[in-house]
Amino acid sequence: QITLKESGPTLVKPTQTLTLTCTFSGFSLSTSGVGVGWIRQPPGKALEWLALIYWNDDKRYSPSLKSRLTITKDTSKNQVVLTMTNMDPVDTATYYCAHTFGVVPPGANPNTWFDPWGQGTLVTVSS
Amino acid sequence: SYDLTQPPSVSVSPGQTASITCSGDELGNKYVCWYQQKPGQSPVLVMFQDTKRPSGIPARISGSNSGNTATLTISGAQPMDEADYYCQAWDSSTGVFGGGTRLTVL
Repeated sequence: QITLKESGPTLVKPTQTLTLTCTFSGFSLSTSGVGVGWIRQPPGKALEWLALIYWNDDKRYSPSLKSRLTITKDTSKNQVVLTMTNMDPVDTATYYCAHTFGVVPPGANPNTWFDPWGQGTLVTVSS
Repeated sequence: SYDLTQPPSVSVSPGQTASITCSGDELGNKYVCWYQQKPGQSPVLVMFQDTKRPSGIPARISGSNSGNTATLTISGAQPMDEADYYCQAWDSSTGVFGGGTRLTVL
């Protein structure tokens, strides 16, 4: 059974850097085709794709947020870490991590999907 | 940037068929997946690779994708199907979600 859980601060101040950790079980990030992604959802709004890292350290970022995001993995700890710099109140959202698996051609559109998702963690940006 | 457009809301009577659309430029050339999200819960995958159902998803939920539009169809809609539905695809190696559709069954 695959499970994922997000952890990190619930409140950050504007301009600070957010660091979120996704701790997972039931799969290994050293297995070919496996990845972990981050998605966020502002209160009452739609899902927004943020970043994704694959077993081979292939990293993908949302073009609109790329300059602010860094995703890394620690295979031995079964963890994926997402950092987002220069936080703003508009970044207030529930942040989810999710398992993904499939075919990932280098530099091309992956044939993957997010399943399952973690429970999410609400991050509020306020002074 | 690539955009996926969904209707904000769809209503259906119990037992009837609901169709939720997702539109994007040449979307038929990409794989689309769909997620169901109920209030206060995390999204759940209900369709991948346009037409494939994960285990545990009932056969009355189906998908299609052609031209510029992908469609999630729920036949014999039940109150338990009431939720927000999001389509998702890949463009330029990055993920894109649609704006979501609230399905009301009443």
